[in-house]
Amino acid sequence: GAGVSQTPSNKVTEKGKYVELRCDPISGHTALYWYRQSLGQGPEFLIYFQGTGAADDSGLPNDRFFAVRPEGSVSTLKIQRTERGDSAVYLCASSLTGTSYEQFFGPGTRLTVL
Amino acid sequence: GDSVTQMEGPVTLSEEAFLTINCTYTATGYPSLFWYVQYPGEGLQLLLKATKADDKGSNKGFEATYRKETTSFHLEKGSVQVSDSAVYFCALSKTGAQKLVFGQGTRLTINP
Repeated sequence: GAGVSQTPSNKVTEKGKYVELRCDPISGHTALYWYRQSLGQGPEFLIYFQGTGAADDSGLPNDRFFAVRPEGSVSTLKIQRTERGDSAVYLCASSLTGTSYEQFFGPGTRLTVL
Repeated sequence: GDSVTQMEGPVTLSEEAFLTINCTYTATGYPSLFWYVQYPGEGLQLLLKATKADDKGSNKGFEATYRKETTSFHLEKGSVQVSDSAVYFCALSKTGAQKLVFGQGTRLTINP
């Protein structure tokens, strides 16, 4: 079956611009997660959705980052006024429920801020 | 806060060698522990997990035992193959908190 998909696979933008990154979870998965992975590091948690609501947004680094999941399926991570330090691979994962142990990861979106 | 520390890479071995990748954690309570693997050009995949002390997770010839007394979850394989070349991540999650906390990853290269 289809796995987690993310678009675009690569995004190059200029400092100060606004970007949106999209995640399509596995059909039927109620839990969705965003992580950020810098070069040579492990993924760092950003936000977790259970259904349409953000159950834990403690990993969002500042108020330039925002994520939505309006219908409980597709999610969009939005970054305003991008900075060079935002350059990273943004990973999305989903799991069947919030208490399921296995998170299924997408291929990621590589964001480069020039 | 909670954290995971992995042995630094890269690790290079010959085919059929014995593999150990060390992982230790710091966390309050009783976390669940995981090893994820990222093959070249692919997304992160769950390799194995253990949810309580003394549990052993195993998959594809890899094993790891949850050692609460040493706060460790070392990954082992008796005989590695070229196809095991990948980046391996140790991770934990806390009961009631679904997010994963990852180590920095260990790049493994197996030479024929």
